[in-house]
Amino acid sequence: SQQGEEDPQALSIQEGENATMNCSYKTSINNLQWYRQNSGRGLVHLILIRSNEREKHSGRLRVTLDTSKKSSSLLITASRAADTASYFCAPAYGNNRLAFGKGNQVVVIP
Amino acid sequence: AAGVIQSPRHLIKEKRETATLKCYPIPRHDTVYWYQQGPGQDPQFLISFYEKMQSDKGSIPDRFSAQQFSDYHSELNMSSLELGDSALYFCASSKNRVTGELFFGEGSRLTVL
Repeated sequence: SQQGEEDPQALSIQEGENATMNCSYKTSINNLQWYRQNSGRGLVHLILIRSNEREKHSGRLRVTLDTSKKSSSLLITASRAADTASYFCAPAYGNNRLAFGKGNQVVVIP
Repeated sequence: AAGVIQSPRHLIKEKRETATLKCYPIPRHDTVYWYQQGPGQDPQFLISFYEKMQSDKGSIPDRFSAQQFSDYHSELNMSSLELGDSALYFCASSKNRVTGELFFGEGSRLTVL
């Protein structure tokens, strides 16, 4: 499957804790992107990591990419209630086609 | 900053009817993408356009068609609607069709009764 497959599917944490989500994919990619989505809303781009990069940071977000294992992880540090959302990993293939996985539902409890 | 604009935001249709969704990309973005997200599902790629030409095609039913116009806005036409077409339809645009982030609109929610 070209789709990203996230693990775990649902995560409930206390505010201030870190949240880690993993994603795996099956074939070679151009880059891998992470998006968040609040219920019924549009997808918001969080971070893009290119296939020749291993780690990238953006604010409280840290993304890693291991092309040998075809996997990526998203770490949200010092979580806030406003981080409650679904998080999608999207491997990008030719023509920048994103193959979204089923997403992680993250609930941050104040 | 300008975002991707989609209309209508909500649409209710009967089975076998036709629906048209519109998308206005961010200015100077030359690539438009359409995704479909069923209830509780992940977004599925339908089709994309670059400089008004179809650049990629995904799992778009034959009953659906789309195009990008000279002003870069795009329309998704859906005919002979089925109950299973009920979903959120997202349009996204990017300024780098080879590798770049996508900017999504808020989506059009289609309900087929």
